Amino acid sequence: DVKVTQSSRYLVKRTGEKVFLECVQDMDHENMFWYRQDPGLGLRLIYFSYDVKMKEKGDIPEGYSVSREKKERFSLILESASTNQTSMYLCASSLLGQTQETQYFGPGTRLLVL
Amino acid sequence: GQQLNQSPQSMFIQEGEDVSMNCTSSSIFNTWLWYKQDPGEGPVLLIALYKAGELTSNGRLTAQFGITRKDSFLNISASIPSDVGIYFCAGHFPNRDDKIIFGKGTRLHILP
Repeated sequence: DVKVTQSSRYLVKRTGEKVFLECVQDMDHENMFWYRQDPGLGLRLIYFSYDVKMKEKGDIPEGYSVSREKKERFSLILESASTNQTSMYLCASSLLGQTQETQYFGPGTRLLVL
Repeated sequence: GQQLNQSPQSMFIQEGEDVSMNCTSSSIFNTWLWYKQDPGEGPVLLIALYKAGELTSNGRLTAQFGITRKDSFLNISASIPSDVGIYFCAGHFPNRDDKIIFGKGTRLHILP
């Protein structure tokens, strides 16, 4: 059974705080992704990674950074949280390769920035 | 840029009715995926389609990869209360690395 876990289901932070969102997958997947989900906007890709220590910007990387020190773990960092970063954050993983685009998602972290 | 249009945005149906939703793309896809998201949870993969014309079922769910490779539909037969949620289509463009594009979702409501 595929498993993607996220460190927190709910987080409340203050403006200006540094926020870490952790994601771990146990499927030995090469690819990992961070999305945010907002009403009416669907899922938007923030960053993704094809391999350890590799990262690529997605569609909305501003205000975020990521870290991939181990294959199974992909962290999303908000250096200085702002209220417009209040959102649902979803992590996903997939196998590398054109025939294996299926992404598996974690349960999500709902972040509120006050 | 590439666009993926999913319709309808929301549906209100009676329990027991069949449901149909679809997605269209401005470009050709080589993979179509359908996900369901329950409230407060992450999306869960329902069906994956890898070939034009492919028709795949998963219980009461049936999805097809359109022969033009620019569309896909998902049907749910004899809906039940636990079918409530948001259904997302997603697709992968050829030679576009391993990223996929998501539709904005169809929110399904079931009336008692």
